[in-house]
Amino acid sequence: EAQVTQNPRYLITVTGKKLTVTCSQNMNHEYMSWYRQDPGLGLRQIYYSMNVEVTDKGDVPEGYKVSRKEKRNFPLILESPSPNQTSLYFCASSPLLGNEQFFGPGTRLTVL
Amino acid sequence: QKEVEQNSGPLSVPEGAIASLNCTYSDRVSQSFFWYRQYSGKSPELIMSIYSNGDKEDGRFTAQLNKASQYVSLLIRDSQPSDSATYLCAVNSPPRPTGNQFYFGTGTSLTVIP
Repeated sequence: EAQVTQNPRYLITVTGKKLTVTCSQNMNHEYMSWYRQDPGLGLRQIYYSMNVEVTDKGDVPEGYKVSRKEKRNFPLILESPSPNQTSLYFCASSPLLGNEQFFGPGTRLTVL
Repeated sequence: QKEVEQNSGPLSVPEGAIASLNCTYSDRVSQSFFWYRQYSGKSPELIMSIYSNGDKEDGRFTAQLNKASQYVSLLIRDSQPSDSATYLCAVNSPPRPTGNQFYFGTGTSLTVIP
């Protein structure tokens, strides 16, 4: 089944404790992206990657890191999480630039 | 300044009616436009994409694009209770060497009343 998977789906952590949210897609898509969704603010792009070793900042990259060492994986790293990073996070992939995106199931992160 | 604007709603329509959802965008050179549906607690799923001026129909859904007015709309004909969801408008930026960004509106909440 073609899909985007994220892990974990739910995470409660404390301020400053490094964490990684994994994202993997099995559709051989070039483009992958991370979003956060907050009430009243909608979906905002954090980082995106058009291919292996090519990444760029979206609208809200502060406090996040990403890497794209393999085509299928695009992990999101929070080196020192803070409470304002409490949010619902979505990973998405797309076969072509500017094309339709397929979203993962989401990761609900709470930083205490 | 927001890149993509939508009326947050809520928008309520009776079952069988036409629901009209609107979206405006600020970047005149945007090239691709999308409508996603998001049920509560779920991830967004693509309904329609549109790339050129005019109408594009897919079943009960019609997307309309007017680049001169920087306006995108989604019409849902014969609305069903299962259409009750939040509808997100998305626009992509012109491509840069490292790829292109996507901008989403905050979504319009639609309720279809049986």
